[in-house]
Formats: sequence, C-alpha cells, structure tokens
Amino acid sequence: GQNIDQPTEMTATEGAIVQINCTYQTSGFNGLFWYQQHAGEAPTFLSYNVLDGLEEKGRFSSFLSRSKGYSYLLLKELQMKDSASYLCAVMDSNYQLIWGAGTKLIIKP
Amino acid sequence: GAVVSQHPSWVICKSGTSVKIECRSLDFQATTMFWYRQFPKQSLMLMATSNEGSKATYEQGVEKDKFLINHASLTLSTLTVTSAHPEDSSFYICLFGRGNTEAFFGQGTRLTVV
Repeated sequence: GQNIDQPTEMTATEGAIVQINCTYQTSGFNGLFWYQQHAGEAPTFLSYNVLDGLEEKGRFSSFLSRSKGYSYLLLKELQMKDSASYLCAVMDSNYQLIWGAGTKLIIKP
Repeated sequence: GAVVSQHPSWVICKSGTSVKIECRSLDFQATTMFWYRQFPKQSLMLMATSNEGSKATYEQGVEKDKFLINHASLTLSTLTVTSAHPEDSSFYICLFGRGNTEAFFGQGTRLTVV
C-alpha cells in the first residue's frame, strides 16, 4: 500500500529552527510537495522536490532523498505566524497526490 | 503567482437543498483538478480527480450522484452538493495542478447544512 508518515505534532520556540520529517512508500514517485495550512484555511504551496538535495526558499528549506524515501522541511528563525499544520504529499506514478496526515507545529514565545 | 479562486468561501443552506461551489484558475490552465473534503482537525480526503479533457474519477465511497463535478474547461471546475444533509457539513477545497510540478489550492468553502 501507499503510506506517508510524518509526526503528528511538534513544538518549537520562537526564533529557533525546526525540522519536520516525512517518510513515504508509494507506487512510483513523481515529486514531493510541502504545504502549510493554518486552522480553518486552505493549504498553501511551500515547495516541490523531485531531485535529491536541498531546496532553499528564504526561511524555509526542503530536502529530499529518493533512495531513502525521506524528506524534511526545515524552518529557520521561527515566527509565531509559523504555527500551522505542515502537510507532506507525494505524487505517485499515476500523478495522483498521496497526502500525509500533517504535522501540527506549535510555536512558543 | 498562480491563483485559484474558489467561491463561495462559506455557505449555510437548509437540509435538502443543493449548493454549487466554483473554482477558477486565474492565470494558468490546469492539467489536473482535485476536489477534497476536510473535517475539523482531520486530513484532506480526496473526493475526485479529473485530468485534462476527461470526466471526474470518484474515490471509493464518494457518491457521484450526490457530489456532481463538472470540469467545464481547463480553468473552471464546479462541485455541486445535491440534497445536502447535516453530515455533508465540511470544508471543501479544490486543487488545480499546473503541469506535474505545481499544485495550488483554492481558498476553500466552509459548508454548513442546517
């Protein structure tokens, strides 16, 4: 079966760095997405990785290792507004998106 | 950046009536369109997928006669919840794919059936 695993909840301190991991087992791989979702709102696109390595976008970076079926989202200089759920999704060989359950990130002052 | 406009953002309707939700991409043609439902504090649940030029494929357990999806063009998709009941109350979100490397959500529609 297809499976995406990510931690249910994480807590971090304002100004710090946090890494949210995502592991996957899917039938084929055509890229991995990270989305941010604030409570009561639709998810917003953060990043897309299809090749191994680190993609940096400002305070957010996303890493992919296809051989390990592993990705992480790295958030630096955390701000209170970063409190949200972070969703990992993999596009399989049929170009369908398989979603993780999301990681709720709580930022404390 | 790419924008997907979804309307209405919220709607309250009486049980037994129908509600139409519209999603439109403003500056790109979507190759794939997805409709999701999300109950409070739960994950996104895929309802249906439609690829460029084809009819929607519904997920198991989703009634196609109750949730009518019209993929009118490469920039427009509608979801109609027919004969809505309180258990249909949820957050409905469309997702439009641009190529295979980007996918953008609409703003979501919060449906409350009373």
